[in-house]
Amino acid sequence: DAGVIQSPRHEVTEMGQEVTLRCKPISGHDYLFWYRQTMMRGLELLIYFNNNVPIDDSGMPEDRFSAKMPNASFSTLKIQPSEPRDSAVYFCASSLIAGYQETQYFGPGTRLLVL
Amino acid sequence: AQKVTQAQTEISVVEKEDVTLDCVYETRDTTYYLFWYKQPPSGELVFLIRRNSFDEQNEISGRYSWNFQKSTSSFNFTITASQVVDSAVYFCALSVGSTGANSKLTFGKGITLSVRP
Repeated sequence: DAGVIQSPRHEVTEMGQEVTLRCKPISGHDYLFWYRQTMMRGLELLIYFNNNVPIDDSGMPEDRFSAKMPNASFSTLKIQPSEPRDSAVYFCASSLIAGYQETQYFGPGTRLLVL
Repeated sequence: AQKVTQAQTEISVVEKEDVTLDCVYETRDTTYYLFWYKQPPSGELVFLIRRNSFDEQNEISGRYSWNFQKSTSSFNFTITASQVVDSAVYFCALSVGSTGANSKLTFGKGITLSVRP
């Protein structure tokens, strides 16, 4: 079975450029999460969706960040304009309702470097 | 607010030693879920185990075992007869509420485990 798919795996860009990260959740999963991992702050939730609807975006750092989920099999996280402090690994995860057996499964991550 | 504390930051052991990774959590919710994830040098996050607050049974899976104690708010992870392939960063995480794990995961800072041959 295919796991969570993220693209690109690595992204190097210059400050001020727009960056778009993509995620395909596991087929059939109802929930999709975006996390960011940095040395300073560790792993932190940015936003999550249920049935394509954003549920909690309180972790989105500022207006430069936006996320969409146009359908059940695709989500994007966009940073515009990007800044060096956005450099991090961005993980996408998905899960489904499973009667107390819910688990978030993570993609391989996108390593973003903003110069 | 929820909090997960992994007081150990780095542990180094020699192969075949047993090692315990500690995790202490804080929450006022009575329904919550605890997790351990492994992050090997390749960077992905690998799910290891989930425990619900109403199931305090300990679990063993091969060389891995977990000790969940609500009385001390701890969910410790033991690797028996460690191997070099166990070298990784290990994260403990917590989610709360009736939606189960389909909500925000609060992660600890992680423990870097190095197993030397």
